[in-house]
Parts: sequence; structure tokens; C-alpha cells
Amino acid sequence: AQKVTQAQTEISVVEKEDVTLDCVYETRDTTYYLFWYKQPPSGELVFLIRRNSFDEQNEISGRYSWNFQKSTSSFNFTITASQVVDSAVYFCALSEFNYGGATNKLIFGTGTLLAVQP
Amino acid sequence: DGGITQSPKYLFRKEGQNVTLSCEQNLNHDAMYWYRQDPGQGLRLIYYSQIVNDFQKGDIAEGYSVSREKKESFPLTVTSAQKNPTAFYLCASSMDRDNYGYTFGSGTRLTVV
Repeated sequence: AQKVTQAQTEISVVEKEDVTLDCVYETRDTTYYLFWYKQPPSGELVFLIRRNSFDEQNEISGRYSWNFQKSTSSFNFTITASQVVDSAVYFCALSEFNYGGATNKLIFGTGTLLAVQP
Repeated sequence: DGGITQSPKYLFRKEGQNVTLSCEQNLNHDAMYWYRQDPGQGLRLIYYSQIVNDFQKGDIAEGYSVSREKKESFPLTVTSAQKNPTAFYLCASSMDRDNYGYTFGSGTRLTVV
């Protein structure tokens, strides 16, 4: 079965602190994709990153970085020097490659609410 | 600008009434999806459609219905059979068979009064 677990329900940090959001996934497939989305208070989910299962290189984009480790089935997300504007719910998601050519459904974790205090 | 438009943003329904949530996209995406979001439960898939005039049930389809008469439109009807319809509903779209993830609408918050 496919599953995404975000064990941290809520995290509260003070501005400029670094924070890591954890994501652990389960899949039987060898080819799959992992995503992070941000949901600000407005409600719309904003795409942050996609990573395929063959690419274990860590990625950095400004203050954001992602650590993908297949050995532990984890895809963690770190925000460096957090800002108040980072306050949002963050979702990790998994998409399995469907060899039948069907639509690749996303399976979401339950989300982590990040509150950055000024 | 291309994107997904959901309307209305807020919707109130009396018990026993059907209500339809609108979702329109101008991204020329093949696939469209409806998700329901409840506090602490993440996003759960209601229905999805890969092509016009075809759609499949997701994990929580009971009490919902959809149609896909046009590529751009994927309306969701919340019927009176849905026992707990108060939730935040998100529509999304993607290019079929690719893995670039979804583009989401801004959501509709449905409240039963």
C-alpha cells in the first residue's frame, strides 16, 4: 500500500530559526515521485518541489532544501532562517508511476502546520 | 494567465439539499481531480477524470457526483446522501500521464447549516 506519513502535526519556531519538516513514505514501486506543497492561509496549494526516485541528490532553492534518502524512505524539507511568511501547512505527497498509462494520482500526507513567530 | 478557478469561495447549504461546486481550468490539462480536506486528515481524493466523458471514483466518492462534459470543466455535486459535507474542497488538474504534479484551485469552503 502507498502511504505518506508526516508525524509532525504542528511546529512553532521563532523567526530566523531553522526548521525541518519530516516526511516518510511507503511504496512497492521502484519508480515514483515525491512532492512538497505549501498551503498558505488563503487555501491554495502551491507546488514547491518534485523529486523522482532515481535522483537522490539533495536540492537547495534559496532558503529551502530537501533531503531525499531512499534507504530510510524519507524526503525531509528544511527551511533555513525561517520567516513569518513561511507560516503555512506543508504537505508531502507521493505519486507512483502507473505503467498502464493511467493518471498518476497523488497520495498526500496529513500535513504539518508551521507557525513562525516574529 | 492560465490557472484553475473554483467558485464560489464560500458556500452554505441546508441539510437535505444538493449543491454544485464549480471548477474550470484553462491550462489545457487532460486530468482533473477533486479532493476534500478536513482538519488533521490531509487531502482525500473524491473523484478524478482523465478524459472528457470519463471519470473514476476516488477513496471517498460516496455522496458525491461529477461530470466531465468539457475538457475545461469538472463540477462536483455534493448530494444529500453525503452525511458530513462540511469541509474544504480543492480542485486540481494535471497533464495526464506526466509526473509534474498538480495545479490547484483556491478551494471552496462548504458549510452545512
